[in-house]
Amino acid sequence: KAGVTQTPRYLIKTRGQQVTLSCSPISGHRSVSWYQQTPGQGLQFLFEYFSETQRNKGNFPGRFSGRQFSNSRSEMNVSTLELGDSALYLCASRPREGNEQFFGPGTRLTVL
Amino acid sequence: AQSVAQPEDQVNVAEGNPLTVKCTYSVSGNPYLFWYVQYPNRGLQFLLKYITGDNLVKGSYGFEAEFNKSQTSFHLKKPSALVSDSALYFCAVRDGRDKIIFGKGTRLHILP
Repeated sequence: KAGVTQTPRYLIKTRGQQVTLSCSPISGHRSVSWYQQTPGQGLQFLFEYFSETQRNKGNFPGRFSGRQFSNSRSEMNVSTLELGDSALYLCASRPREGNEQFFGPGTRLTVL
Repeated sequence: AQSVAQPEDQVNVAEGNPLTVKCTYSVSGNPYLFWYVQYPNRGLQFLLKYITGDNLVKGSYGFEAEFNKSQTSFHLKKPSALVSDSALYFCAVRDGRDKIIFGKGTRLHILP
């Protein structure tokens, strides 16, 4: 099976712009989670989608949003970008509750 | 509140020596515990998990972890370290809402 894929791998934006990141989970996995990784804060949970519904949400401002499509692919959107949004954004999928997650390679977002 | 702590930011071990990366957790109910490894410019890779059963869990690349309920710990171990084990290691716990919470990570340096 193909692994979790994320596009694009690298992105450079300027403050105030918006960005959309995409994640394709492993075939058959219905849960997709998003994380923000920064050197200072480690891995912070953004949200999880399961069968097109948001199941869990982390403590991020409303500028961060996501959605999941019927084929389980997920997108994450960040509006009004700030310098502090520069990070590695990781997507992870799993087949069902309780199981381990499988991570994609991440999208490196740089905000100038 | 559910949480996981990795008390060491960095661990240095000589090649061939045993290694331990520490993790403690706080969760209500029975814990689901995970270890992941991250190599430079890569996503996280699953190493092992504890859900129930034997307290000693064996995982990928010769790693194992010991679940200790009384000490609420889930330390990662390997009998003989390799230089290629040098990476960033994350402990994670599943909370009551099936959200996966990660520790801040421990950087493992194996010295040749």
